[in-house]
Amino acid sequence: EIVLTQSPDTLSLSPGERATLSCRASQNVNSNYVAWYQQKPGQAPRLLIYGASGRGTGIPDRFSGSGSGTDFSLSISRLEPEDFAVYFCQHFGTSPFPFGGGTKVESK
Amino acid sequence: VQLQESGPGLVKPSQTLDLTCTVSGGAISSDSSYWSWIRQPAGKRPEWIGRIYTSGTTNYNPSLESRVTMSLDMSKNQFSLKLTSVTAADTAVYYCARSPLIPGWWEYWFDPWGQGIPVTVSS
Repeated sequence: EIVLTQSPDTLSLSPGERATLSCRASQNVNSNYVAWYQQKPGQAPRLLIYGASGRGTGIPDRFSGSGSGTDFSLSISRLEPEDFAVYFCQHFGTSPFPFGGGTKVESK
Repeated sequence: VQLQESGPGLVKPSQTLDLTCTVSGGAISSDSSYWSWIRQPAGKRPEWIGRIYTSGTTNYNPSLESRVTMSLDMSKNQFSLKLTSVTAADTAVYYCARSPLIPGWWEYWFDPWGQGIPVTVSS
């Protein structure tokens, strides 16, 4: 079974800065089957990115995904106040569709 | 499409957790989607429980398969989850979610999710 490990656990940044979050898979996965979700306190996860470059409904273009093989990343080009949240990666290519442990992006 | 979970927030150990997801904004019967249940213990990563297709076909997480049953009620535009023999380890927020079947893909992401329902297993 594929295990996803995210780093860092917490990222402390200021609004306007660039955020880069990492997700490492325990074995090679198809990059088209990696997704990223954003979760704010008390809310459900929201789809941000699917596949190599697809964005969920209403997701601004400051969010982008990249990577291949076992290493994937989510970039937020310029942090807005509403971007401070927890982010999860997911491999949806094979059951049981595992999620990473999450990275919290907090305001410095 | 919007999803809303409902059910008891407290279940006793060894009993059965029984949740329903009501879909609005579209008919399950005419929607080419998988309908999933996902849970998330406090402070932890989400865990996929299983899914059901419009035809009634189900797929379950192997780690939970022996205790899980999902079903559809198209007349009410709902799908449901039953998890038997619960323990404290089953305490989590339970979400329902949709995976739209998109041509050219063999598997699908979760979008949207319901708001979630917290369930505690305790006597």
